[in-house]
Amino acid sequence: GQQLNQSPQSMFIQEGEDVSMNCTSSSIFNTWLWYKQEPGEGPVLLIALYKAGELTSNGRLTAQFGITRKDSFLNISASIPSDVGIYFCAVNAGNMLTFGGGTRLMVKP
Amino acid sequence: EAGVAQSPRYKIIEKRQSVAFWCNPISGHATLYWYQQILGQGPKLLIQFQNNGVVDDSQLPKDRFSAERLKGVDSTLKIQPAKLEDSAVYLCASSLDWGAGPGEQFFGPGTRLTVL
Repeated sequence: GQQLNQSPQSMFIQEGEDVSMNCTSSSIFNTWLWYKQEPGEGPVLLIALYKAGELTSNGRLTAQFGITRKDSFLNISASIPSDVGIYFCAVNAGNMLTFGGGTRLMVKP
Repeated sequence: EAGVAQSPRYKIIEKRQSVAFWCNPISGHATLYWYQQILGQGPKLLIQFQNNGVVDDSQLPKDRFSAERLKGVDSTLKIQPAKLEDSAVYLCASSLDWGAGPGEQFFGPGTRLTVL
């Protein structure tokens, strides 16, 4: 099946730093999604991307849909302690979601 | 608006025992999904319902897993008999309609299953 490669697997940063993570695939997809999951909770949608080259922001979060439709990145600016969690990329294939392995973000106050 | 409800939140069983999870989707949501999330991995779709019909169950291990949504509202997922590798968080999600787009799935808090 489809495989999404997320990097890095984990990040430990200082509060106030900017964060960048990405997700790549060997296949083309028309929808890329970014989710955040906190301990004991289900994933929550952060940003949805529907058009190649699209750059979308949600507060301090910015995500881009790669022009090749095989990748996407997520940036978080000026990180704060509540940004801690696991960030997943996901793609839509036939109205089914496939998730990447996640990037675990830890923020040191 | 109430979110997706799941119970129990935690379950510990021994291998070869049976277990069942329950999910109540957001009111009015026609599509319901069950995912398995193994520790350190992203969620993997097991089965998708549209009302009370199965849309996709290609990744459901049917020799031991079963799911139903008899009245098109709440759903149960059963494992019988459980294996050690079934230890995971089982997430339920719902969306208004199958055609609503994948971004509109809302997830419950999950049931954490430990098989000893």
